[in-house]
Amino acid sequence: QVQLVESGGGVVRPGRSLRLSCVASGFTFNSYAMHWVRQAPGKGLEWVGVVSYDGGTKYYADSVKGRLTISRDNSKNTLYLHMTSLRGEDTSIYYCARDKDGSYYLDYWGQGTLVTVSS
Amino acid sequence: DIQLTQSPSSLSASVGDRVTITCRASQTIGTSLIWYQQKPGETPHLLIYSASSLQSGVPSRFSGSGSGTDFTLTIGSLQPEDFATYYCQQTYSTVLTFGQGTKVEIK
Repeated sequence: QVQLVESGGGVVRPGRSLRLSCVASGFTFNSYAMHWVRQAPGKGLEWVGVVSYDGGTKYYADSVKGRLTISRDNSKNTLYLHMTSLRGEDTSIYYCARDKDGSYYLDYWGQGTLVTVSS
Repeated sequence: DIQLTQSPSSLSASVGDRVTITCRASQTIGTSLIWYQQKPGETPHLLIYSASSLQSGVPSRFSGSGSGTDFTLTIGSLQPEDFATYYCQQTYSTVLTFGQGTKVEIK
């Protein structure tokens, strides 16, 4: 069965960096685009960005462009989110999600990892 | 970016009620609209794609309609397990956006 397991969250001071990971199993990882979506505590969903199946194409939300970077290592079935210059408004649960068929439908989601930006 | 506005933001309904949630896009998006359900403490669950196609395994009481800028999610007969927050998402642009969510609560 499809599984997505995020890790790397925690408490980090403003201005610092953090890298999140998402390990995939149960499907052919290198055939699927992958997304990051975040959700601030008690708030709605915010799309962060997407990386194509081969890592060659990436798109980002304007709110994170230049500070958050998505990458993937298909040899390790792992998706990454590199986060720099973190701000309080980046405090959220970060979910990785599989793109169903390249159409931007997110059909499987991980359980998420919480990032808290606080001094 | 394409903005999505859901209404209402929340509603109270009883088991067996017919419930309708709307999602309006800031520009025409064809049928490039998705609906998700999120229960408290859980991850979002894909319900409807391409505005009206039911995702495999989703009960038939859920249906979607609309095109262009106006879309609707209907729950034909609300069940106890349907109390949740529902989000629309557009897939028209390479920069995806979600609606702000509609919370369906028990009356």
